[in-house]
Amino acid sequence: AQKVTQAQTEISVVEKEDVTLDCVYETRDTTYYLFWYKQPPSGELVFLIRRNSFDEQNEISGRYSWNFQKSTSSFNFTITASQVVDSAVYFCALTDTGANSKLTFGKGITLSVRP
Amino acid sequence: NAGVTQTPKFRVLKTGQSMTLLCAQDMNHEYMYWYRQDPGMGLRLIHYSVGEGTTAKGEVPDGYNVSRLKKQNFLLGLESAAPSQTSVYFCASSWADYTEAFFGQGTRLTVV
Repeated sequence: AQKVTQAQTEISVVEKEDVTLDCVYETRDTTYYLFWYKQPPSGELVFLIRRNSFDEQNEISGRYSWNFQKSTSSFNFTITASQVVDSAVYFCALTDTGANSKLTFGKGITLSVRP
Repeated sequence: NAGVTQTPKFRVLKTGQSMTLLCAQDMNHEYMYWYRQDPGMGLRLIHYSVGEGTTAKGEVPDGYNVSRLKKQNFLLGLESAAPSQTSVYFCASSWADYTEAFFGQGTRLTVV
């Protein structure tokens, strides 16, 4: 069975601070995919990134960066110089590629960025 | 650019009533999902489908049924609504199990 744990439930920072959102996953499969989604106050879910289990290279996209470490089963997300518009719920998700693969989400982290 | 469309967006039901939530996608995706979102619980998978005519149970399937008669549509049915089914329901679709999922705007359902 697969599982995604987002131990942080709520994080509050002041604008321009850096913030890291943690994600720890469990799966028995060697081939799997990890995702991050953002849910702003408007409610829709927005895809941010996908990473497969064979690619441990960290990725940077503007103020966003992701640190994938198989050794610790973690896929952490860092926002540099946070902005008020980053306020949202962030979900980490996992899918394997077995016969009954399905996208499993963590419980989400509510990030509040104060001006 | 419709993407994934959910109907309706809001609904209030009385306990015991039935209803069907409709999800339609225009991206020719094989995979479709129904999730429910509750405070502190994240997104929990109700049922999903890996192609037309197929359905499978997710994490919290009890009290719900689904059908995928056409590739583009995935219906979620509540036969006898209960207050515990008060939630926000999201439909999603993806080309494959390992590709990004596209989500609808959600349906806020209240059962009184």
